[in-house]
Amino acid sequence: EAQVTQNPRYLITVTGKKLTVTCSQNMNHEYMSWYRQDPGLGLRQIYYSMNVEVTDKGDVPEGYKVSRKEKRNFPLILESPSPNQTSLYFCASSSQTSGVSYNEQFFGPGTRLTVL
Amino acid sequence: RKEVEQDPGPFNVPEGATVAFNCTYSNSASQSFFWYRQDCRKEPKLLMSVYSSGNEDGRFTAQLNRASQYISLLIRDSKLSDSATYLCVVGLSRTALIFGKGTTLSVSS
Repeated sequence: EAQVTQNPRYLITVTGKKLTVTCSQNMNHEYMSWYRQDPGLGLRQIYYSMNVEVTDKGDVPEGYKVSRKEKRNFPLILESPSPNQTSLYFCASSSQTSGVSYNEQFFGPGTRLTVL
Repeated sequence: RKEVEQDPGPFNVPEGATVAFNCTYSNSASQSFFWYRQDCRKEPKLLMSVYSSGNEDGRFTAQLNRASQYISLLIRDSKLSDSATYLCVVGLSRTALIFGKGTTLSVSS
């Protein structure tokens, strides 16, 4: 089954304790992205990756890191989490054919993070 | 400035009703347009892409007006299962998708 998986699905942690949220897709997609979703603010892009070893900042990258060592994986790293990073996080992937139009983005099930 | 504006609702309608959602976008260089559906606490899923010529998928019709920078979604014969949040999404480039905050629909029997 074609899918994007995220782990963990739920996480409660404390300020300053480094954590990683994993994201994996089995569709051989080039493009992957991380979003956070907060009430009243909608979905905002944190980082994205056009392909292996190619990453770039989205709209809200502060406090986050990513890496893309393999095509299927795109982990999100919070080196020193703070309470304002409490949010619902989604990973997404899509195939990037030529041209400017987007192909459908497939989202993972989400990770609900609480930082105390 | 990149913005996608939607009426947040909620829209409360009875089964069988026709309901329309509107969305405006601020960047005239926007390249692609979509409606996504998001159920409570779940991931967004593509409902339909939106083309300049307008497009229809069963009970759903999407329209795009580039001159007015306006996108619409029409749902006919609403079902209970249509209850969800509908996200208007605009693509500025291959790397920039801008999401509206969503319009909540509640269909009741």
